[in-house]
Amino acid sequence: DQQVKQNSPSLSVQEGRISILNCDYTNSMFDYFLWYKKYPAEGPTFLISISSIKDKNEDGRFTVFLNKSAKHLSLHIVPSQPGDSAVYFCAASPNRGTSYGKLTFGQGTILTVHP
Amino acid sequence: DAGITQSPRYKITETGRQVTLMCHQTWSHSYMFWYRQDLGHGLRLIYYSAAADITDKGEVPDGYVVSRSKTENFPLTLESATRSQTSVYFCASSPRRNQPQHFGDGTRLSIL
Repeated sequence: DQQVKQNSPSLSVQEGRISILNCDYTNSMFDYFLWYKKYPAEGPTFLISISSIKDKNEDGRFTVFLNKSAKHLSLHIVPSQPGDSAVYFCAASPNRGTSYGKLTFGQGTILTVHP
Repeated sequence: DAGITQSPRYKITETGRQVTLMCHQTWSHSYMFWYRQDLGHGLRLIYYSAAADITDKGEVPDGYVVSRSKTENFPLTLESATRSQTSVYFCASSPRRNQPQHFGDGTRLSIL
């Protein structure tokens, strides 16, 4: 039972355009969400997070949107750069209960940004 | 250098052998985590630790043992390795529960 799903295994985008990566979740207890970027042979690197009290969080070229009613979040990268080519994972965690602080990850989306 | 380091980076062993993966962090973070990454599954939590001598199971703990006698170290042991444990293993740490976790570069483990 996949509680966090990234339904697009891959995404290809032209340099300078917007990249939109999507993530859906099923567990209504999740209220803290993160995006990680991963290059080959390296560990995931934290990008941006959002808690359920917000519906948007920005950090430079990266913006995360949260739609709680749809249980959906998305990561927007504007403008996309070739160095953004990586695997992107979304992750979620509840803020209380026995699973507090434990991250559940999606399967990842491979982003390729073409020059 | 400050950070989180995993060793070894690559390991090949045989079924039935015991193998220990090491994780060391220099931030004095309270929380440490072990994940495995498999195709189609993303990262799945094996075990985590809230502090020295406090550990708890994650999503896929069977076949693994952890210990945390010192804050900075969190070794993961496969007591009798099986082929299904072939994977890439990542260690992570965070200062508090719901803060971003920082990952090591992983150990690629192959069990023949």
